[in-house]
Amino acid sequence: GDSVTQMEGPVTLSEEAFLTINCTYTATGYPSLFWYVQYPGEGLQLLLKATKADDKGSNKGFEATYRKETTSFHLEKGSVQVSDSAVYFCALAKTSGSRLTFGEGTQLTVNP
Amino acid sequence: GAVVSQHPSRVICKSGTSVKIECRSLDFQATTMFWYRQFPKQSLMLMATSNEGSKATYEQGVEKDKFLINHASLTLSTLTVTSAHPEDSSFYICSARDPRGDTIYFGEGSWLTVV
Repeated sequence: GDSVTQMEGPVTLSEEAFLTINCTYTATGYPSLFWYVQYPGEGLQLLLKATKADDKGSNKGFEATYRKETTSFHLEKGSVQVSDSAVYFCALAKTSGSRLTFGEGTQLTVNP
Repeated sequence: GAVVSQHPSRVICKSGTSVKIECRSLDFQATTMFWYRQFPKQSLMLMATSNEGSKATYEQGVEKDKFLINHASLTLSTLTVTSAHPEDSSFYICSARDPRGDTIYFGEGSWLTVV
C-alpha cells in the first residue's frame, strides 16, 4: 500500500539556519503530496502542496518540489525562525481531496 | 480563521461513560469528513471516513461499535467514544474535504482524557 517515510527527528537548529526535512513516498500512480505543520496542542495546518511531478509548493518561506524520479518531496527553508518550531508531517493522497497517508512526523525546534 | 472547528477542545470523562466530539465545517459543505487519532509524539492514524447520509467506513482494527461516527448534515460530523476507558485517552482530529477546491482542512483537535 501507499506509505510515506520522513527523516527521523527531532531536529534542533539555531535561528537563521537552513532547514531540510526529507520525505520519500511509495505509491502507485501520481499522488498529490503535502506538508502539514502542527503547533503544540493544535490541529494540523496545510503548509504547502504539489499535485504533479516537478511542481514546487511554497508558503511562508518553505518550499518542496515533487520529484517523481526519486519519489521525494523534501521540505526546505533557507532561514528558520523560532516561530517555526513545530511538528512537520509529510503526506500523500491519491487526489487532492482524498484520504491522506501521513509520515511519522518530524519535530523541529529552533533556538534563538 | 478556522474553516473546520472541533468541540470540545479538551474533555475529561469518567471511565465507562460516553463522550461526543463535534466537527463542523464553517465555510463549506463537506460531503466527506475524516477522523484521526494521534498518540503522543506519533503520527495520525486514520480511524474512519465519514460520508454525509451514509455509514462511516472504518479502518481495519477500529471498533465501529466503540467509536460511533455520525455525519447527519453537510456541515457536521460527530465522533462518540462509547464506554470510554483510559486507553482511549488521546488527541482526536477531524478533517473535512472542501469540494470547491478539493482541499482538506483540519480541525483544531480534541484532547480526550478518561479517568
